[in-house]
Amino acid sequence: DQQVKQNSPSLSVQEGRISILNCDYTNSMFDYFLWYKKYPAEGPTFLISISSIKDKNEDGRFTVFLNKSAKHLSLHIVPSQPGDSAVYFCAASHTGTASKLTFGTGTRLQVTL
Amino acid sequence: DGGITQSPKYLFRKEGQNVTLSCEQNLNHDAMYWYRQDPGQGLRLIYYSQIVNDFQKGDIAEGYSVSREKKESFPLTVTSAQKNPTAFYLCASSTKRPGQGPNTGELFFGEGSRLTVL
Repeated sequence: DQQVKQNSPSLSVQEGRISILNCDYTNSMFDYFLWYKKYPAEGPTFLISISSIKDKNEDGRFTVFLNKSAKHLSLHIVPSQPGDSAVYFCAASHTGTASKLTFGTGTRLQVTL
Repeated sequence: DGGITQSPKYLFRKEGQNVTLSCEQNLNHDAMYWYRQDPGQGLRLIYYSQIVNDFQKGDIAEGYSVSREKKESFPLTVTSAQKNPTAFYLCASSTKRPGQGPNTGELFFGEGSRLTVL
């Protein structure tokens, strides 16, 4: 049972444009959501997070939006840069499990020149 | 520098052999985790430990074993009972134990160990 879903395995965006990565979840107990970025043969690195009491969190070029009623979150990268090319994982947790995260399957972002 | 060190980075094993992956952290974190990554399946939790001498099974613990004798160390043994051991293994740590305090949930990951069974 995949509780966190990233339905787009890959995405290609031109440099300078906006990248939008989507994530859906099914467990209504999730109250904290994170995005991780991963390069090949390396461990994931934390990018940005959002608590369920908010609907938006921004950090530089990265913004995460949360729609609780739709159980959907998205990561916006503006403007996209070639160095953003990586696999992005959405993850979720709930109070009581804290850092025991449930991950999505990942979306591979390719930023082209 | 503080961080998580996994070794070896690459490992080959014959079928029927046990192998142990090392994970060491100097971040003074209480909680440590082992995840497995397979193509198209994201990261799946194998085992986690909230404190020394304590650990719990994750979602896919069958065929694996762990120990937590020291705060800094959380080795993972892939036993011969694991039917599909070829994968990329990731160790992580966190300041937060499950159920402890505000939910911030951030994990810090090592660089991973790729195990290939021949």
